[in-house]
Amino acid sequence: AQSVTQLGSHVSVSEGALVLLRCNYSSSVPPYLFWYVQYPNQGLQLLLKYTTGATLVKGINGFEAEFKKSETSFHLTKPSAHMSDAAEYFCAVRPNTGNQFYFGTGTSLTVIP
Amino acid sequence: EAGVAQSPRYKIIEKRQSVAFWCNPISGHATLYWYQQILGQGPKLLIQFQNNGVVDDSQLPKDRFSAERLKGVDSTLKIQPAKLEDSAVYLCASRTGTGVMNTEAFFGQGTRLTVV
Repeated sequence: AQSVTQLGSHVSVSEGALVLLRCNYSSSVPPYLFWYVQYPNQGLQLLLKYTTGATLVKGINGFEAEFKKSETSFHLTKPSAHMSDAAEYFCAVRPNTGNQFYFGTGTSLTVIP
Repeated sequence: EAGVAQSPRYKIIEKRQSVAFWCNPISGHATLYWYQQILGQGPKLLIQFQNNGVVDDSQLPKDRFSAERLKGVDSTLKIQPAKLEDSAVYLCASRTGTGVMNTEAFFGQGTRLTVV
């Protein structure tokens, strides 16, 4: 079975600072990779995804992530944090031969004014 | 395009009672998922349907949980009898199930269940 590791269950950054949320997966074959955001009392909203092609993918709200096969990583970044970015972020993988999504335990992002 | 609809949004029940959740996926989406999200954790798959057939229910506690998707569209998830540890958010998601580009799942807002 796939496993997804998100380092740091809580991350705090100052407004305007770089956001870096880490995600590593375990798979010998690169899966499809996703980042979802969850605001309080809401469902999960897709931020971005990697399927094939360019390893640096851009998503909504200024977020981007880079797939690094050699490091089995898909870290999420944003150059300048905004107060509205405060939320829970989940990394997820889907094997390219299956339909199931596997989620990490999530990282709660706090943005300090 | 309408999103995934779930109801109710919130439910409070006593232990040993039964409860049902409803999900209406995005029109045309063949794959439907039910996830359980316990506070502070990531979503955990309970059951996955492809049209009206079950693809994966290996993590569904079948002694108390059941789910159906009779006509391959709407789905219901039932818990009977509920336990305190069932307190969680139940998320429904759907996906088209075809093609490389259509690979993400779309989630509903979830149903927050509190068992007291």
